[in-house]
Parts: sequence; C-alpha cells; structure tokens
Amino acid sequence: ETGVTQTPRHLVMGMTNKKSLKCEQHLGHNAMYWYKQSAKKPLELMFVYSLEERVENNSVPSRFSPECPNSSHLFLHLHTLQPEDSALYLCASSQDLVLSPLHFGNGTRLTVT
Amino acid sequence: QKEVEQNSGPLSVPEGAIASLNCTYSDRGSQSFFWYRQYSGKSPELIMSIYSNGDKEDGRFTAQLNKASQYVSLLIRDSQPSDSATYLCAVTSRSGGGADGLTFGKGTHLIIQP
Repeated sequence: ETGVTQTPRHLVMGMTNKKSLKCEQHLGHNAMYWYKQSAKKPLELMFVYSLEERVENNSVPSRFSPECPNSSHLFLHLHTLQPEDSALYLCASSQDLVLSPLHFGNGTRLTVT
Repeated sequence: QKEVEQNSGPLSVPEGAIASLNCTYSDRGSQSFFWYRQYSGKSPELIMSIYSNGDKEDGRFTAQLNKASQYVSLLIRDSQPSDSATYLCAVTSRSGGGADGLTFGKGTHLIIQP
C-alpha cells in the first residue's frame, strides 16, 4: 500500500460507545495530523504529532484522545461523543511541520446517533 | 487568530475559459502556501505549492503569491468539467517555535459549465 490509509471509512456510533479511528502512512513522513471537516466549515486542525511527540492540541474536547505509537501510525480514540461531533475525520502526514504539504487519507465519515 | 479567507462561490466558468480563485490570509509570518482540490465525498489532494513571491506554473495551473498584500491565487487555464470541485487554500506558519499545521480556508466551489 502507498500513501495514507484510514480505517474505517464509515462509522456509526452511539453517544455511549467507545471506538477508535486508525491511520497509517507509508510515505516515511515525520509528522501526522488529525483534522475535522464539518459542513460549511473550514478544515479544523485537531492534533499534530512530530516524531511521535504531540506538538499541538488545538483545544479539542477530552472525549477525543489521540495516540501515536510510532511515526507511521496514528489513532483517534473516541468516547461519549455528541451528535455535533458527526463529521469527516481526516488523517494527514507531511515530511516536516512547516514547509511541507499535507498528504491526506480518504477519511472516516463519522455519524454519532 | 490566524485566518484564511476565500469566496465560497459557487464560481461558474465556461469550459475552456480561465478560472481564477483567490485567497487572503491574516498571518504575515506565513511561509508556505498550498492549493488543494477536493471532490465531493473525497479527501483533499494537493495541486500546487508556492513559497516565494511571484508566479509558479504547473501544466494548466498557475499559483500566484504576493506576500506584501497577503494574497495568493490559483489560475486554471483551459478549464475542463473535471476541474469542477472545491478548491481549498491553505497556509502554514510557525509561531513561538511551535507548530500550527495548516490553516485552511472554507474553499471555493468551482463549476465548469460544458
């Protein structure tokens, strides 16, 4: 596989469920990101990891918990979500933090019921 | 608060014409500028990057950057129906030694009319 892969592609969960989103990059990049995309809103940066260290937490509620076990894998653990958390969640990677473009995965379409 | 502004459109352009997409940004310290294309239901894909003032051409696409005016644009020549998509402007900067990732605009919805 090449590029950035995300699983699952679609997820429906209740407000009391716990689930995790998975992202894997095969590009040898050093930085990984979680973004949220809601209708009529710009892409919102949630978390940034550089060489497995979190460097940015963009005021995200604690019901979203990221994990980066190594430079190729990134998880987003979800618990007690709200219906307004329904959105497209995009993982991305880049060679470095500032000058390099992002390469996105296909995203996970999350619906919270 | 760093902001990236785009006209949301829709911008309707006849096939074969030049489509012009514009973007302004608020952070004067911004260093890297990108244009992404996003088809409905798909993830964004990078089409152009530009780092210094002036024009950068790649095939039918030309990116233009003016840091003094805090303005970046994308021109698409010989527009094709397959160019119909939402175009996202993205800007990156470093503040206080930390990393902010990319700040995105809301995107401009472009429609190429056959």
